[in-house]
This record gives sequence, C-alpha cells and structure tokens, in this order.
Amino acid sequence: AQRVTQPEKLLSVFKGAPVELKCNYSYSGSPELFWYVQYSRQRLQLLLRHISRESIKGFTADLNKGETSFHLKKPFAQEEDSAMYYCAMGEAAGNKLTFGGGTRVLVKP
Amino acid sequence: GAGVSQSPSNKVTEKGKDVELRCDPISGHTALYWYRQSLGQGLEFLIYFQGNSAPDKSGLPSDRFSAERTGGSVSTLTIQRTQQEDSAVYLCATRQNTEAFFGQGTRLTVV
Repeated sequence: AQRVTQPEKLLSVFKGAPVELKCNYSYSGSPELFWYVQYSRQRLQLLLRHISRESIKGFTADLNKGETSFHLKKPFAQEEDSAMYYCAMGEAAGNKLTFGGGTRVLVKP
Repeated sequence: GAGVSQSPSNKVTEKGKDVELRCDPISGHTALYWYRQSLGQGLEFLIYFQGNSAPDKSGLPSDRFSAERTGGSVSTLTIQRTQQEDSAVYLCATRQNTEAFFGQGTRLTVV
C-alpha cells in the first residue's frame, strides 16, 4: 500500500539556520513525489516536484530511491518559510495522491 | 473559474443532521480528490474520482460518508447523521497532469 511518512510534526529553527524536513515513502512502483505548502490563511499549494529537479524559494528536494526518501532542505531559513509542509506521492496524473501527516515549520527571528 | 471553489466556506450543524459539501473543479480537470484536515492529523485521504467514477473510496471513514461527481465536473461530499468527530476542514483538489490544485476548504463544525 502507498504510504508517506513525515516523522516530525514540528520543526522550530532560527532565521538563517538550515532546515530539513524528512519524508519517507513506501510504494512498489515508480512514484512521483511532491512537496506542498500551506501558509497561514492560504490554500495548500505545490512547492516543488521531484521530476522538475528545481529549486523553489531556496528549497530543494532529492529523491533517494535506495532510502525511499524525499527530504526537503533549505540552507538558510527565512521567517516567511513558516508554514505547514506536506510531502505527497502519486502514481501518475489522475491517480491517487497520498499525503504525509505534515510538518509545521516555525522560523524564529 | 480561476481555481477550485468549495462551498460553503463554513458550516455549523447540529449533531445528527446531514450535510452536503460542494466542490467546483477547474474546468477540464479529470481527477478530483477529497481530503479531511483535522488539527494534529494532517491530510487524510477520503476519495478520488477519475471522471465520474471513484476508483478508490478506501478513505471514507464510515458508511455515513458518500460522494458523487456528475458530468465530470461538480462533486458533492455528503455526511449523514453527523457526529462531533466529523468536525474538520474538508478539502477538495483537482489535478491535471501532475500538479494538484486545492480549494479553500469547508470548515465543518458539529455541535
């Protein structure tokens, strides 16, 4: 069965410090991995996807098939990064999209 | 429309009453998902539609929950005989290609 695990419910870091949000998945096929973000009073929105291999707002995530992980990293956290982050996995467009439990990031000044 | 629209934004209902939540997807998006977001519980999958059919209903918590989609467009999530534990934010999302677009959610409070 598809499963996405985010072990940390809350990450609290100081501004300028690195931040890493962990995500592990279980799936027998070749998954698509995503990170979604929800800022206060805003809709959940896509942050980045593994197939694009892009950096968005300074965040990057690398798919590690050996460790079945897709951790999200940013070298220097900013206060505006405070939000709820969800790791998600899908087979392909139009199929089930499974989310992890979410990690709340709090960046302190 | 510009995005996924959900109505109502807020719903307060008495325990035991039925509620219906509506999702208007982005035009042309064939995949539609319902999730429940509870405090401390993250994003819980309920059901998804591919067109009008629902290949996966495994997330529906009980037989009090049902959903339908007509014309490959609007979807409604119905909760019968609501209970206090049904209180949550219900999110709808639609997907075309790989990115999912979320509505603003319906906050349901059962009193």
